[in-house]
Amino acid sequence: DQQVKQNSPSLSVQEGRISILNCDYTNSMFDYFLWYKKYPAEGPTFLISISSIKDKNEDGRFTVFLNKSAKHLSLHIVPSQPGDSAVYFCAARIRSGNTPLVFGKGTRLSVIA
Amino acid sequence: DAGVTQSPTHLIKTRGQHVTLRCSPISGHKSVSWYQQVLGQGPQFIFQYYEKEERGRGNFPDRFSARQFPNYSSELNVNALLLGDSALYLCASSSPTLTGGMGDGELFFGEGSRLTVL
Repeated sequence: DQQVKQNSPSLSVQEGRISILNCDYTNSMFDYFLWYKKYPAEGPTFLISISSIKDKNEDGRFTVFLNKSAKHLSLHIVPSQPGDSAVYFCAARIRSGNTPLVFGKGTRLSVIA
Repeated sequence: DAGVTQSPTHLIKTRGQHVTLRCSPISGHKSVSWYQQVLGQGPQFIFQYYEKEERGRGNFPDRFSARQFPNYSSELNVNALLLGDSALYLCASSSPTLTGGMGDGELFFGEGSRLTVL
């Protein structure tokens, strides 16, 4: 029973264009969402987060959008760079209490020069 | 500043053996979490420890156990290894709320220990 779903295992984008990575969740109790980026032979690194009280959070080239009614979030990378090529994990948590992060399966982004 | 360090980075075991994986958190972080990442899947939560106490446990069999030491480092132990235990084991540290809750505590991951069970 996957509570966090990333339905696209891979995505290829040309350098300079926008990358859009999507994530859906089923647990309506989730109120905090994060994106992690993972390079081969490294652990995941935190990228950006968003609380359920917001619908958008921006950090440089990275913007996360949250649509609570659709239980959907997306990560936009503009402009995409070859160094962005990595696996991106969407994760969610119930902020109150002591619940762990629940991760999606990841989307492998390839940015082509 | 040193990040989360894990050892060993790679190891090969045979079915039925036991394995111990080690993790040192970021200095000042009192919470350690363990995740298992099987190929093609996202990380799955195994344990969280805070101040040497287990604060959370995922859906893993009793063959999996962990502990946290006074210096906040941690060990993950897996007994009676099965082929399906082959995975990348990730340790993450965080600086949770004063009551030990995860709150907005961002997880900082180590590079992981890749376990292969033959």
